[in-house]
Amino acid sequence: AIQMTQSPSSLSASVGDRVTITCRASQGIRNDLGWYQQKLGEAPKLLIYAASRLQSGVPSRFSGSGSGTDFTLTISSLQPEDFASYFCLQQYNYPRTFGQGTKVEIK
Amino acid sequence: QVQLQESGPGLVKPSETLSLTCTVSGGSVTSDSYYWTWIRQPPGKGREWIGHFLYGGVSGITNYNPSLKSRVTMSVDASTNQVSLKLKSVTAADTAIYYCAREVRFGASAFDIWGQGTLVTVSS
Repeated sequence: AIQMTQSPSSLSASVGDRVTITCRASQGIRNDLGWYQQKLGEAPKLLIYAASRLQSGVPSRFSGSGSGTDFTLTISSLQPEDFASYFCLQQYNYPRTFGQGTKVEIK
Repeated sequence: QVQLQESGPGLVKPSETLSLTCTVSGGSVTSDSYYWTWIRQPPGKGREWIGHFLYGGVSGITNYNPSLKSRVTMSVDASTNQVSLKLKSVTAADTAIYYCAREVRFGASAFDIWGQGTLVTVSS
């Protein structure tokens, strides 16, 4: 199975900060990666698919980049509603595998 | 819009079979555009893809995580628009929040719709 290494596991940031989260795949996965946001007790929400495509309805402050083995989720200006957990998910092959997640907390 | 809702017993005894249902509203489980997927997350641990089901008329197509393949069965009931998960011979290690999700099959795929999840505890 492809291992997805996500970092950091947690971070503290302030409203307005630029935040970057990374995922590294143990082998090349083209651009078959999505980024998801999850708040406590809620369903995960798709933010980015195909590594860099913004899901409809998601604010443009979210962006994704990367291809092959290294991927990045960037929040350009953190908003109060962005304090949540984020994870990556590869869809290159089976079994689908996940990054361990990043918890974004208020500084 | 499409919504998914998981349901089932919150407590299962060791060695028994865990049975969960995902009710799909606003869409059809018979669509060939989507895989109906189960994912779980044990408390304090990472997420694990359990497998998916693709509706195929009389029979469907399944794909299971090799780590769980010997114990998992997934199916779809078109009459009730539900997706089911059965996991047999459970142990405490199967305690987790179980999610159903929809994976888009074509084009730039993604897991575009998720349920809120349901906590299942395995304990005597």
